[in-house]
Amino acid sequence: GAVVSQHPSWVICKSGTSVKIECRSLDFQATTMFWYRQFPKQSLMLMATSNEGSKATYEQGVEKDKFLINHASLTLSTLTVTSAHPEDSSFYICSARDPQHTEAFFGQGTRLTVV
Amino acid sequence: GQQLNQSPQSMFIQEGEDVSMNCTSSSIFNTWLWYKQEPGEGPVLLIALYKAGELTSNGRLTAQFGITRKDSFLNISASIPSDVGIYFCAGRRETSGSRLTFGEGTQLTVNP
Repeated sequence: GAVVSQHPSWVICKSGTSVKIECRSLDFQATTMFWYRQFPKQSLMLMATSNEGSKATYEQGVEKDKFLINHASLTLSTLTVTSAHPEDSSFYICSARDPQHTEAFFGQGTRLTVV
Repeated sequence: GQQLNQSPQSMFIQEGEDVSMNCTSSSIFNTWLWYKQEPGEGPVLLIALYKAGELTSNGRLTAQFGITRKDSFLNISASIPSDVGIYFCAGRRETSGSRLTFGEGTQLTVNP
């Protein structure tokens, strides 16, 4: 089956620094990847849709200059949280669509803690 | 974006019992999906529904796409301890492209 891998699984960073999260499709090429944020005991909220070779489409209320998304290849999308603050601490999850399957597959998530 | 109304928020049941949860919306969806998420992991797709009225099973799980296209339910029969987790419904509207809207989740606890 299709595998989507995120790295790192967890990260702790200091307030004001930037952190990059990678999302890779390991055994398929994904033209579209999605980035979600999930706060404790809450649902997944879509942040942005990332298309290979073009600018990401951000959901309303998501700051594109704070959450930089790059989808430079068919197997890799990155999310960079710039100038992180404690309120950015959350579980970030990506999903990638395999053209052979109707639905996207999710990565295992990245736990970000900003101290 | 708009969220789906999922209920119940949590369930505490005994092993062997059946479980039912549902999602409703004021909008029409053309796809309903049910996911399970375990602590510290991403969601895993359980069942996908694409037609109004469709009833689909996956082992002990059964889900239905409501005839009005505004709701869906998930049943788990003869629950076992490994069914513990958070179950999310998700829907896709015709006007939203490939984007999904998620319900608030149902936390299931199964006592042995």
